[in-house]
Amino acid sequence: AQSVTQPDIHITVSEGASLELRCNYSYGATPYLFWYVQSPGQGLQLLLKYFSGDTLVQGIKGFEAEFKRSQSSFNLRKPSVHWSDAAEYFCAVGGTGNQFYFGTGTSLTVIP
Amino acid sequence: EAQVTQNPRYLITVTGKKLTVTCSQNMNHEYMSWYRQDPGLGLRQIYYSMNVEVTDKGDVPEGYKVSRKEKRNFPLILESPSPNQTSLYFCASSTRGDTYGYTFGSGTRLTVV
Repeated sequence: AQSVTQPDIHITVSEGASLELRCNYSYGATPYLFWYVQSPGQGLQLLLKYFSGDTLVQGIKGFEAEFKRSQSSFNLRKPSVHWSDAAEYFCAVGGTGNQFYFGTGTSLTVIP
Repeated sequence: EAQVTQNPRYLITVTGKKLTVTCSQNMNHEYMSWYRQDPGLGLRQIYYSMNVEVTDKGDVPEGYKVSRKEKRNFPLILESPSPNQTSLYFCASSTRGDTYGYTFGSGTRLTVV
């Protein structure tokens, strides 16, 4: 069965520091992988997605993610975080029949 | 502005009183979906629709109904709400060619007492 694991429930980083959020997936075929961000009181916004091709994908707000099939991972990265990046981040994998599976999320706190 | 609109944003109701949460999108998207978000559980898919009159169950469909009579609308119906349906609900839509790039609504926070 398809599933997504985000091992880190909460991460704290200093403003200007680099960021990496982990995501591991379980899927039988080539996965469709996504990262979403949810600001407090808001809906989810798509940051980036991977369908095929180049394993390093660029997204909005300076984020990127790398697909590593051998590790079943799709980690999200940003070289230098800004205070406005504080939010909840969700990794997701596309399944069959348009079912769509989210991880449990990673809450990011940015300290000045 | 391209968007998914949910109403109401907040709702408090009593056990057993039927309610409907509306969802409308103005992007001519074929795909629409409902999710519920609970602490520690992430988002779980309730129902989805791939086009008008085509709907299917997600992971947690029990206690919910949906209909897709028009392309733009995808209401979520709770015939007899129970306290375990207290949650944050999101509607989302997507084009056929970008199937999984969902656009989300702002959410509906439902409390069943």
